[in-house]
Amino acid sequence: QQQVRQSPQSLTVWEGETAILNCSYEDSTFDYFPWYRLFPGESPALLIAIRPVSNKKEDGRFTIFFNKREKKLSLHITDSQPGDSATYFCAAVGTGSKLSFGKGAKLTVSP
Amino acid sequence: EAAVTQSPRNKVTVTGGNVTLSCRQTNSHNYMYWYRQDTGHGLRLIHYSYGAGNLQIGDVPDGYKATRTTQEDFFLLLELASPSQTSLYFCASGRIANSDYTFGSGTRLLVI
Repeated sequence: QQQVRQSPQSLTVWEGETAILNCSYEDSTFDYFPWYRLFPGESPALLIAIRPVSNKKEDGRFTIFFNKREKKLSLHITDSQPGDSATYFCAAVGTGSKLSFGKGAKLTVSP
Repeated sequence: EAAVTQSPRNKVTVTGGNVTLSCRQTNSHNYMYWYRQDTGHGLRLIHYSYGAGNLQIGDVPDGYKATRTTQEDFFLLLELASPSQTSLYFCASGRIANSDYTFGSGTRLLVI
């Protein structure tokens, strides 16, 4: 079963808008939540990550908002650029360092 | 910077064939993972390991074996390849739990 769920599966925004990608999880033992970005033909690359002790993590235009009680988090990409068009994966690390991924969200930023 | 090297980059085999995918990391990471990436399914964990000789079962292990021969090397074995195993396979490594994970460039496998 999918332990990490993402929504929407695909999203299109205009250049300059804020893209919001959502993630939820089931396992309360998850204690590290990285987001990865995947461009076609390349390897997944770490974008930003958060631990449950925090409810927000910022890195430039990328911000994670985390709600531990509801087991939800979201990635906000402000001032979206066409170069941000990619597939974004929410992931979680749980017991035994098992790194699990969601199904991904394809983001398209239109100029 | 940690490097993860996968080989081969591309592989074509016939149904029932025997395939070995290789992964080597050069920064003494203790954790290594094998994933398959398929459209609509994201990255699915096949097997992982936290050291030489160790093997942990992932979420989609059926039809796959794996072996961690050394700290550096992690192999994925398909002993009777099937068309359903056509996919893009990624290897990853990490130093400790809850750290950054480094991915290889992927191996694209086609089973005909």
